[in-house]
Amino acid sequence: AQSVTQLGSHVSVSEGALVLLRCNYSSSVPPYLFWYVQYPNQGLQLLLKYTSAATLVKGINGFEAEFKKSETSFHLTKPSAHMSDAAEYFCAVSVGPLNNFGNEKLTFGTGTRLTIIP
Amino acid sequence: GAGVSQSPSNKVTEKGKDVELRCDPISGHTALYWYRQSLGQGLEFLIYFQGNSAPDKSGLPSDRFSAERTGGSVSTLTIQRTQQEDSAVYLCASSLLSRRTDRSGYTFGSGTRLTVV
Repeated sequence: AQSVTQLGSHVSVSEGALVLLRCNYSSSVPPYLFWYVQYPNQGLQLLLKYTSAATLVKGINGFEAEFKKSETSFHLTKPSAHMSDAAEYFCAVSVGPLNNFGNEKLTFGTGTRLTIIP
Repeated sequence: GAGVSQSPSNKVTEKGKDVELRCDPISGHTALYWYRQSLGQGLEFLIYFQGNSAPDKSGLPSDRFSAERTGGSVSTLTIQRTQQEDSAVYLCASSLLSRRTDRSGYTFGSGTRLTVV
């Protein structure tokens, strides 16, 4: 079975500083990896996804993530934090080729709450 | 519609009552998912619909939980005889069916916050 571990339930960075949110996965087959962001009282919004093409994936709002198979990691980064980045971030994994039912069931990490310090 | 719509946005119910949560997916999205987000449990998969069929119900926590989807569109999640541990945010998501070796990613609704008192 697959799993996702997000190190650090809370991360605080200063405005303008580098954002680094960590995600490690466990999977016996090549994974598909996702980062979602959740703003207060809203649903989850897809930031970016890795689907076995380029290992460096660029997403919305200036975020990017790099798939490193040797480290089983998919860390999320942004060079310069903005106040509007304050939210909760979830890493998720989906594994294996889709069966005939096309089920993209995701296994989520427990989330990292990002706080931006003015 | 433009996004995934869920109703109600908030629901407070008494223990033992039944509740129905509604999800309107994006038009044309054949895949629909329900997840539950609760403190201490994170995001848990509940059920997956392809069209009106539910080939994966593995996440439904008990037989008090059921879901249906009609017309390949609207889905209803029903919780019977609600318990306090059912308190959570219930999220619905939809997507186009992906190709065998790709993933499309989901669009989530804003969720229904259920409080059982």
